[in-house]
Amino acid sequence: GAVVSQHPSWVICKSGTSVKIECRSLDFQATTMFWYRQFPKQSLMLMATSNEGSKATYEQGVEKDKFLINHASLTLSTLTVTSAHPEDSSFYICSAEPGQGFYEQYFGPGTRLTVT
Amino acid sequence: GENVEQHPSTLSVQEGDSAVIKCTYSDSASNYFPWYKQELGKGPQLIIDIRSNVGEKKDQRIAVTLNKTAKHFSLHITETQPEDSAVYFCAANNNGANNLFFGTGTRLTVIP
Repeated sequence: GAVVSQHPSWVICKSGTSVKIECRSLDFQATTMFWYRQFPKQSLMLMATSNEGSKATYEQGVEKDKFLINHASLTLSTLTVTSAHPEDSSFYICSAEPGQGFYEQYFGPGTRLTVT
Repeated sequence: GENVEQHPSTLSVQEGDSAVIKCTYSDSASNYFPWYKQELGKGPQLIIDIRSNVGEKKDQRIAVTLNKTAKHFSLHITETQPEDSAVYFCAANNNGANNLFFGTGTRLTVIP
């Protein structure tokens, strides 16, 4: 149980284009989903928290117009990197929380984004 | 906000030995402390967690201890195996909310 998927697992795009990453909770409903960014050999950096049907809450320093988050349903959240630049290249990981006050977060396998 | 520190950053042990990773946190209101295992190129996997109303939790070869007074918690892996080699992250929630703050990670290498 508690499986989270991400698609795509890796993507290469050209500078200036936009990329959408999907995060799905496969066997539970996620009241909250989180998006993280991870640089090589570093820890996870929380980018934003999204609740189904409401606007995402972005962490300080994260540009909401550049990283568009949509939490369309209790099982799907999407992250769109708009007008991507090489510095946006990173490992993006989502997590989902079943809710009910238990706080567990289950992570997806991550998406490796490379912007050329 | 919460500040989580993790030590050591790297740890090498012989197969069969035990491994201990320690974390401290700053916010006394934090009440949930998970541990994640991350293998290369993959997302973190929740391996064990503990809440502030208990001091110790064990799951087969893995155990976590929590000292609320000192604000530190530790991961203990016994009878280590090569497949335990990975990066381990501790985390603490933020003032009772659902955001997690992560430690900097420990790269564990189990030498066969």
